[in-house]
Amino acid sequence: IAGITQAPTSQILAAGRRMTLRCTQDMRHNAMYWYRQDLGLGLRLIHYSNTAGTTGKGEVPDGYSVSRANTDDFPLTLASAVPSQTSVYFCASSARSTRSYNEQFFGPGTRLTVL
Amino acid sequence: GENVEQHPSTLSVQEGDSAVIKCTYSDSASNYFPWYKQELGKGPQLIIDIRSNVGEKKDQRIAVTLNKTAKHFSLHITETQPEDSAVYFCAASKGDMRFGAGTRLTVKP
Repeated sequence: IAGITQAPTSQILAAGRRMTLRCTQDMRHNAMYWYRQDLGLGLRLIHYSNTAGTTGKGEVPDGYSVSRANTDDFPLTLASAVPSQTSVYFCASSARSTRSYNEQFFGPGTRLTVL
Repeated sequence: GENVEQHPSTLSVQEGDSAVIKCTYSDSASNYFPWYKQELGKGPQLIIDIRSNVGEKKDQRIAVTLNKTAKHFSLHITETQPEDSAVYFCAASKGDMRFGAGTRLTVKP
């Protein structure tokens, strides 16, 4: 069982380019999340999805979009990347979203550099 | 919204000593407080969690305490080992999980 996989592992991107970060989980979890991790700021929620077909905005959603066409996949798209989006991006999933005490499982992360 | 503050940002201890990391939260409605450990190059992994109806929870060398009145909770690691070296994150949740900024723990052999 792989858990959560993310691709690519790392990417250097020119400003203004479009980029999609991929996330796939094989645990049949209902809820999925995208976080960015910046030094001194911890993990901040970008977007989430409580179940396939639904998405919601997190703490820092501007400049990002997501889709949830099925249970397993939750891609994150940067429509026009800017240097401030340089960060490490983590995808996570949890079994249920209706209960707040719910362990989140994290992927290995994607290190994105926008020049 | 919820605001979680975590201290210290870095912590260095000798092997065998104890380590304590403290977090405060702002939203009294938060009812779930997990702690995650992140090793270099990896994603965070849950090590222990506590719910608001419990004051303390232990799992071998790690324990978490929660003071709901003061809105703070702490992670305690006893008999630290070099493999405990990592970044530790606290979080508070009432649905939307908010993380602290992290504590880099170094255990010196």
